[in-house]
Amino acid sequence: GQNIDQPTEMTATEGAIVQINCTYQTSGFNGLFWYQQHAGEAPTFLSYNVLDGLEEKGRFSSFLSRSKGYSYLLLKELQMKDSASYLCAVLDSNYQLIWGAGTKLIIKP
Amino acid sequence: GAVVSQHPSRVICKSGTSVKIECRSLDFQATTMFWYRQFPKQSLMLMATSNEGSKATYEQGVEKDKFLINHASLTLSTLTVTSAHPEDSSFYICSARDESGGIYEQYFGPGTRLTVT
Repeated sequence: GQNIDQPTEMTATEGAIVQINCTYQTSGFNGLFWYQQHAGEAPTFLSYNVLDGLEEKGRFSSFLSRSKGYSYLLLKELQMKDSASYLCAVLDSNYQLIWGAGTKLIIKP
Repeated sequence: GAVVSQHPSRVICKSGTSVKIECRSLDFQATTMFWYRQFPKQSLMLMATSNEGSKATYEQGVEKDKFLINHASLTLSTLTVTSAHPEDSSFYICSARDESGGIYEQYFGPGTRLTVT
C-alpha cells in the first residue's frame, strides 16, 4: 500500500530553526509537495521537489532524496505566524496526490 | 499563483435538506478537480475526483448517491450533499489541478464549513 509518515506534532521556539521530516512509500513518484494549513483554512502551497536536493525559498527550504523515500521541510527564523499544520504529499504514478496526516507545528515565544 | 474560489464559505442547513457547494478555477482550466473533507484536528480526506465531462471517481466508503458531483465545464465543479445529517457537518475543501506546467499542482479553494442542525 501507499504510505506517508510525518510526525504528528512538533514544538519550536520563535526565532529558531525546525526540520519536519517526511518518509514515503508510494506506487511511483512524480514529485513531492509541502503545504501549509492554518486552523480553519485551506492548505496553501509551499514547495515542490521532483529532483534530489535542496530547494530554497526564503525562510523555507525543502529537501528530497528519492532513493531514501525521504523529504524534509526546513523553516528558519521561526515566527509566531508559522504555527500551523504542515502537510507532505506525494504525486504517484497516476498523478494522484497521496497525503500525509500532517505535522502540527507549535511555536512558543 | 492560480486562484480557486469556493462558494459558499459557510452554510447552515436543517437535517434532511440538500446543500450545493461550488468550486471554480478563476484563471486556469481544470480538467480535474478534487473534493476533500476535513474533520476538526484531522487531516484531509479525499472524497472524490471530479473529471470534466465524465463521472466522478469516489473513494472507498464515500456514498456517491449522497455526495453528488458535477463537473460540467473546465472551470466549475459542484458538490451537492443530499439529505444532509448532522454527521455530515464538516469542512469541505475543493482543489483544482493545473496540468499546464507539467507539475500537476493542486490549488485549493478556501473551503466551505457546513453545519447541519
